[in-house]
Amino acid sequence: QVQLVESGGGLVTPGGSLRLSCAASRFNFSDYYMSWIRQVPGKGLECVAYISKGGSDMYYADSLKGRFTISRDNTKNSLYLQMDSLRAEDTAVYYCARGDKGRDGDYQGGFDYWGQGTLVTVSS
Amino acid sequence: YEVTQPPSVSLSPGQTARITCSGHALTKQYVYWYQKKPGQAPVTVIYRDSERPSGIPERFSGSSSGTTVTLTISGVQAVDEADYYCQSADSSGTYHVFGGGTKLTVL
Repeated sequence: QVQLVESGGGLVTPGGSLRLSCAASRFNFSDYYMSWIRQVPGKGLECVAYISKGGSDMYYADSLKGRFTISRDNTKNSLYLQMDSLRAEDTAVYYCARGDKGRDGDYQGGFDYWGQGTLVTVSS
Repeated sequence: YEVTQPPSVSLSPGQTARITCSGHALTKQYVYWYQKKPGQAPVTVIYRDSERPSGIPERFSGSSSGTTVTLTISGVQAVDEADYYCQSADSSGTYHVFGGGTKLTVL
Protein backbone atom coordinates (compact mmCIF):
# COMPACT_ATOMS: atom_id res chain seq x y z
CA GLN A 1 0.00 0.00 0.00
CA VAL A 2 1.27 3.49 -0.88
CA GLN A 3 2.74 5.28 2.11
CA LEU A 4 3.31 9.01 2.54
CA VAL A 5 4.68 10.26 5.85
CA GLU A 6 5.02 13.97 6.54
CA SER A 7 7.34 15.51 9.10
CA GLY A 8 8.80 18.86 10.04
CA GLY A 9 5.73 20.65 11.34
CA GLY A 10 5.68 22.55 14.59
CA LEU A 11 5.42 25.95 16.23
CA VAL A 12 7.19 28.85 14.56
CA THR A 13 7.08 32.59 15.16
CA PRO A 14 5.80 34.98 12.48
CA GLY A 15 8.47 35.71 9.91
CA GLY A 16 10.20 32.43 10.61
CA SER A 17 10.92 29.47 8.37
CA LEU A 18 10.12 25.80 8.37
CA ARG A 19 10.91 22.90 6.06
CA LEU A 20 8.41 20.10 5.66
CA SER A 21 9.36 16.67 4.37
CA CYS A 22 7.32 13.82 2.96
CA ALA A 23 8.82 10.35 2.80
CA ALA A 24 7.25 8.20 0.11
CA SER A 25 7.36 4.43 -0.10
CA ARG A 26 5.81 1.41 -1.78
CA PHE A 27 5.56 3.01 -5.20
CA ASN A 28 7.90 4.32 -7.88
CA PHE A 29 8.18 7.90 -6.59
CA SER A 30 9.86 9.32 -9.69
CA ASP A 31 6.87 8.33 -11.85
CA TYR A 32 4.44 10.65 -10.10
CA TYR A 33 3.62 14.32 -9.71
CA MET A 34 3.48 15.27 -6.04
CA SER A 35 1.73 18.03 -4.16
CA TRP A 36 1.38 19.84 -0.86
CA ILE A 37 -2.18 20.62 0.19
CA ARG A 38 -3.20 22.39 3.36
CA GLN A 39 -6.24 22.86 5.52
CA VAL A 40 -6.48 25.90 7.75
CA PRO A 41 -8.43 25.05 10.93
CA GLY A 42 -12.15 25.28 10.24
CA LYS A 43 -11.58 25.97 6.54
CA GLY A 44 -11.40 24.00 3.31
CA LEU A 45 -8.59 22.37 1.38
CA GLU A 46 -6.11 24.41 -0.65
CA CYS A 47 -3.49 23.22 -3.13
CA VAL A 48 -0.33 24.97 -1.97
CA ALA A 49 2.05 23.65 -4.62
CA TYR A 50 2.74 20.75 -6.92
CA ILE A 51 5.80 19.50 -8.76
CA SER A 52 6.39 17.43 -11.87
CA LYS A 53 7.93 13.97 -11.88
CA GLY A 54 11.46 15.14 -12.58
CA GLY A 55 11.16 18.31 -10.52
CA SER A 56 11.53 20.75 -13.40
CA ASP A 57 8.01 22.21 -13.27
CA MET A 58 6.38 23.68 -10.19
CA TYR A 59 3.10 25.42 -9.50
CA TYR A 60 2.24 27.60 -6.53
CA ALA A 61 -0.98 29.04 -5.20
CA ASP A 62 -1.24 32.76 -5.90
CA SER A 63 -1.78 33.45 -2.20
CA LEU A 64 1.76 32.39 -1.34
CA LYS A 65 3.44 35.22 -3.24
CA GLY A 66 6.79 33.48 -3.56
CA ARG A 67 7.24 32.56 0.12
CA PHE A 68 7.13 28.78 -0.36
CA THR A 69 9.34 26.49 -2.46
CA ILE A 70 8.47 22.92 -3.39
CA SER A 71 11.21 20.47 -4.31
CA ARG A 72 11.86 16.75 -4.50
CA ASP A 73 14.72 14.30 -4.33
CA ASN A 74 13.89 11.23 -6.37
CA THR A 75 17.00 9.44 -5.12
CA LYS A 76 15.61 9.71 -1.59
CA ASN A 77 11.91 9.26 -2.48
CA SER A 78 11.22 12.52 -0.71
CA LEU A 79 9.17 15.66 -1.24
CA TYR A 80 9.88 18.96 0.49
CA LEU A 81 8.23 22.29 1.18
CA GLN A 82 10.42 25.18 2.27
CA MET A 83 8.24 27.80 3.94
CA ASP A 84 9.69 31.26 4.56
CA SER A 85 8.28 34.52 5.93
CA LEU A 86 5.56 32.56 7.67
CA ARG A 87 2.38 34.31 8.72
CA ALA A 88 -0.35 33.48 11.18
CA GLU A 89 -2.65 32.66 8.26
CA ASP A 90 -0.27 29.86 7.21
CA THR A 91 -1.29 27.94 10.33
CA ALA A 92 -2.72 24.71 8.95
CA VAL A 93 -2.34 20.98 8.60
CA TYR A 94 -0.14 20.33 5.57
CA TYR A 95 -0.73 17.14 3.59
CA CYS A 96 1.51 15.47 1.07
CA ALA A 97 -0.46 13.91 -1.80
CA ARG A 98 0.39 11.81 -4.81
CA GLY A 99 -0.75 12.95 -8.23
CA ASP A 100 -3.07 10.67 -10.15
CA LYS A 101 -1.27 9.11 -13.10
CA GLY A 102 -3.14 7.87 -16.14
CA ARG A 103 -2.35 4.79 -18.20
CA ASP A 104 -0.28 6.97 -20.51
CA GLY A 105 1.81 8.09 -17.55
CA ASP A 106 0.49 11.62 -17.65
CA TYR A 107 -0.68 13.54 -14.59
CA GLN A 108 -4.47 13.70 -14.59
CA GLY A 109 -4.95 16.78 -12.41
CA GLY A 110 -5.95 15.28 -9.07
CA PHE A 111 -4.67 13.18 -6.19
CA ASP A 112 -5.05 9.54 -5.28
CA TYR A 113 -3.14 9.01 -2.02
CA TRP A 114 -2.63 11.30 0.94
CA GLY A 115 -0.36 11.37 3.96
CA GLN A 116 -1.62 11.88 7.50
CA GLY A 117 -0.52 15.49 7.58
CA THR A 118 1.72 17.64 9.75
CA LEU A 119 0.54 20.63 11.76
CA VAL A 120 2.22 23.98 11.29
CA THR A 121 1.40 26.66 13.85
CA VAL A 122 2.59 30.21 13.29
CA SER A 123 2.27 32.20 16.47
CA SER A 124 4.25 34.48 18.72
CA TYR B 1 -11.44 30.06 -11.40
CA GLU B 2 -13.87 28.49 -8.95
CA VAL B 3 -15.88 25.34 -8.53
CA THR B 4 -19.06 25.50 -6.49
CA GLN B 5 -20.57 23.00 -4.08
CA PRO B 6 -23.57 23.25 -1.76
CA PRO B 7 -22.41 23.92 1.81
CA SER B 8 -24.46 21.18 3.40
CA VAL B 9 -26.62 18.15 2.76
CA SER B 10 -28.66 16.40 5.43
CA LEU B 11 -30.53 13.14 5.12
CA SER B 12 -31.51 9.99 6.93
CA PRO B 13 -29.71 6.64 6.79
CA GLY B 14 -30.58 4.67 3.68
CA GLN B 15 -31.40 7.72 1.59
CA THR B 16 -29.39 8.78 -1.45
CA ALA B 17 -27.06 11.75 -1.17
CA ARG B 18 -26.23 13.77 -4.25
CA ILE B 19 -23.56 16.42 -3.99
CA THR B 20 -22.94 18.62 -6.99
CA CYS B 21 -19.85 20.47 -8.15
CA SER B 22 -20.17 23.14 -10.85
CA GLY B 23 -17.58 25.00 -12.87
CA HIS B 24 -17.24 26.18 -16.45
CA ALA B 25 -14.07 24.17 -17.10
CA LEU B 26 -15.46 20.86 -15.89
CA THR B 27 -16.17 19.77 -19.44
CA LYS B 28 -12.41 19.84 -20.06
CA GLN B 29 -10.89 18.72 -16.76
CA TYR B 30 -11.46 15.73 -14.54
CA VAL B 31 -13.09 16.11 -11.15
CA TYR B 32 -11.92 14.34 -8.02
CA TRP B 33 -13.91 13.85 -4.83
CA TYR B 34 -12.32 13.63 -1.39
CA GLN B 35 -13.88 12.60 1.89
CA LYS B 36 -12.56 14.46 4.94
CA LYS B 37 -13.37 13.53 8.52
CA PRO B 38 -12.14 15.57 11.51
CA GLY B 39 -8.63 14.62 12.54
CA GLN B 40 -8.14 12.28 9.60
CA ALA B 41 -6.41 12.57 6.27
CA PRO B 42 -8.53 13.12 3.16
CA VAL B 43 -9.53 10.01 1.28
CA THR B 44 -10.09 9.92 -2.46
CA VAL B 45 -13.53 8.41 -3.06
CA ILE B 46 -13.91 9.21 -6.78
CA TYR B 47 -11.25 10.06 -9.33
CA ARG B 48 -11.50 11.17 -12.98
CA ASP B 49 -15.18 12.06 -12.63
CA SER B 50 -16.54 8.55 -12.11
CA GLU B 51 -13.81 6.06 -11.23
CA ARG B 52 -13.93 4.46 -7.78
CA PRO B 53 -10.64 3.50 -6.09
CA SER B 54 -10.24 0.01 -4.74
CA GLY B 55 -11.50 -0.22 -1.20
CA ILE B 56 -14.16 2.45 -1.62
CA PRO B 57 -17.67 1.04 -1.16
CA GLU B 58 -19.83 0.60 -4.24
CA ARG B 59 -22.40 3.00 -2.84
CA PHE B 60 -20.08 5.84 -3.90
CA SER B 61 -20.38 6.85 -7.54
CA GLY B 62 -19.68 9.85 -9.73
CA SER B 63 -21.25 11.22 -12.86
CA SER B 64 -20.83 14.17 -15.15
CA SER B 65 -23.21 16.29 -17.20
CA GLY B 66 -21.93 19.37 -18.90
CA THR B 67 -20.41 21.77 -16.39
CA THR B 68 -21.75 19.88 -13.36
CA VAL B 69 -20.34 16.77 -11.75
CA THR B 70 -22.22 14.82 -9.09
CA LEU B 71 -21.07 12.59 -6.26
CA THR B 72 -23.80 10.12 -5.35
CA ILE B 73 -23.84 8.06 -2.18
CA SER B 74 -26.56 5.44 -2.43
CA GLY B 75 -27.95 4.19 0.84
CA VAL B 76 -26.00 6.61 2.98
CA GLN B 77 -24.71 5.30 6.30
CA ALA B 78 -23.70 7.03 9.52
CA VAL B 79 -20.07 6.28 8.71
CA ASP B 80 -20.38 8.45 5.60
CA GLU B 81 -20.89 11.60 7.67
CA ALA B 82 -18.01 13.86 6.63
CA ASP B 83 -17.02 16.86 4.57
CA TYR B 84 -16.78 16.17 0.86
CA TYR B 85 -14.62 18.27 -1.45
CA CYS B 86 -14.55 18.33 -5.19
CA GLN B 87 -11.33 19.33 -6.92
CA SER B 88 -10.47 20.11 -10.50
CA ALA B 89 -8.35 22.44 -12.60
CA ASP B 90 -8.86 25.42 -14.85
CA SER B 91 -9.10 24.92 -18.61
CA SER B 92 -5.30 25.02 -18.97
CA GLY B 93 -4.89 22.34 -16.33
CA THR B 94 -2.47 24.50 -14.37
CA TYR B 95 -4.52 26.09 -11.62
CA HIS B 96 -5.91 23.49 -9.19
CA VAL B 97 -9.00 24.40 -7.29
CA PHE B 98 -11.04 22.84 -4.51
CA GLY B 99 -14.69 23.45 -3.92
CA GLY B 100 -15.63 24.93 -0.58
CA GLY B 101 -16.73 21.55 0.74
CA THR B 102 -20.10 20.02 1.49
CA LYS B 103 -20.89 18.87 5.00
CA LEU B 104 -22.87 15.65 4.82
CA THR B 105 -24.95 15.06 7.92
CA VAL B 106 -26.64 11.72 8.45
CA LEU B 107 -29.53 12.33 10.79
